[in-house]
Amino acid sequence: KAGVTQTPRYLIKTRGQQVTLSCSPISGHRSVSWYQQTPGQGLQFLFEYFSETQRNKGNFPGRFSGRQFSNSRSEMNVSTLELGDSALYLCASSLEGRERTDTQYFGPGTRLTVL
Amino acid sequence: AQSVTQPDIHITVSEGASLELRCNYSYGATPYLFWYVQSPGQGLQLLLKYFSGDTLVQGIKGFEAEFKRSQSSFNLRKPSVHWSDAAEYFCAVGGYSSASKIIFGSGTRLSIRP
Repeated sequence: KAGVTQTPRYLIKTRGQQVTLSCSPISGHRSVSWYQQTPGQGLQFLFEYFSETQRNKGNFPGRFSGRQFSNSRSEMNVSTLELGDSALYLCASSLEGRERTDTQYFGPGTRLTVL
Repeated sequence: AQSVTQPDIHITVSEGASLELRCNYSYGATPYLFWYVQSPGQGLQLLLKYFSGDTLVQGIKGFEAEFKRSQSSFNLRKPSVHWSDAAEYFCAVGGYSSASKIIFGSGTRLSIRP
């Protein structure tokens, strides 16, 4: 079974631009979560989608948004990019995401650099 | 508040030596604990997880971890490390309200001395 895939793997943008990242979960997984990883803040939870609805949200500004499609694929969007948005963005999928025994599987990430 | 502490930022061990990475957690209920490994430029790979039952958990790549409730710890161990084990290791606790909102520790970078 194929793992979680993320595209693109690398992105370079300039301040003020917007960016869209894509995540395809493991087949059959319906929950998709997004995390931001930076050297200073570590791994931080952005949001989770399930059945095309945002179910959980971390403490990030409204510039960070996402959506999920009927096939469970998810996109996240960052508008008005700031230098501090440079990070590795990780996507993780799980079957339902309801039970704490439901394990998340991570993709390789998208490395975003904001100049 | 839930939190995970990995007190060692960087550890270097010799190839073939034993390894123990420390993890302490703060959690209001029965914790669900994980260890993930991240190789340079890669995503996170699950090494092992603890939900309940036997407090000694076996994982992939020869790793194991022991849950000690009295010490709020979930240390990762390996009897003999290989050069390929060089990576960053993250301890994590399962989210309170759902499986998705995992709280990660700051990570421990492991270097292997030839």
